[in-house]
Amino acid sequence: GAVVSQHPSWVICKSGTSVKIECRSLDFQATTMFWYRQFPKQSLMLMATSNEGSKATYEQGVEKDKFLINHASLTLSTLTVTSAHPEDSSFYICSAYYYGDTQYFGPGTRLTVL
Amino acid sequence: GQSLEQPSEVTAVEGAIVQINCTYQTSGFYGLSWYQQHDGGAPTFLSYNALDGLEETGRFSSFLSRSDSYGYLLLQELQMKDSASYFCAVRDQSSASKIIFGSGTRLSIRP
Repeated sequence: GAVVSQHPSWVICKSGTSVKIECRSLDFQATTMFWYRQFPKQSLMLMATSNEGSKATYEQGVEKDKFLINHASLTLSTLTVTSAHPEDSSFYICSAYYYGDTQYFGPGTRLTVL
Repeated sequence: GQSLEQPSEVTAVEGAIVQINCTYQTSGFYGLSWYQQHDGGAPTFLSYNALDGLEETGRFSSFLSRSDSYGYLLLQELQMKDSASYFCAVRDQSSASKIIFGSGTRLSIRP
């Protein structure tokens, strides 16, 4: 079946550094991927829509210069958290449509910024 | 705007049946989905209703009433492993590919 992977599964970094998170569709091509963040005991908040070969579409209130998204191929989208701060600590999840209306999610990346 | 309302917490007994309700407000409607998320894990797709009525998938069923802007997820023969958060979701009105999630219902199962 469709599988979406993410790497790394968790990362700890110092404040001010940048962190890159990869999202891959393993057995299908995804022209569109989505990036979410989730704080503990809260719902998923859509951050941006990643479009292969073009600029990402960011949701209102999401800083595009802070959360850089690159969708360079049909199977890979990356999210880079630039100059990370403790308030960026969160669970980041990507997703993609495999068939019809079913969206498949990656296993998530837990980011902790010290 | 769009909004989805769910109860924040539900507690049930192992082996019982539980219903998680979801009411939504959206100007354009493309269907109601349900996702399950265990602590520390990613959401997994459970069910999707585009039309009124009941969709059954094993122990899980989902119902939709478009006239009432209402749906529910029904879980039968509850097992301890069903303890998780459950989210209803709709497609975004401005971009049908985007999904907007409800606030989620945390289901706790007691022995």
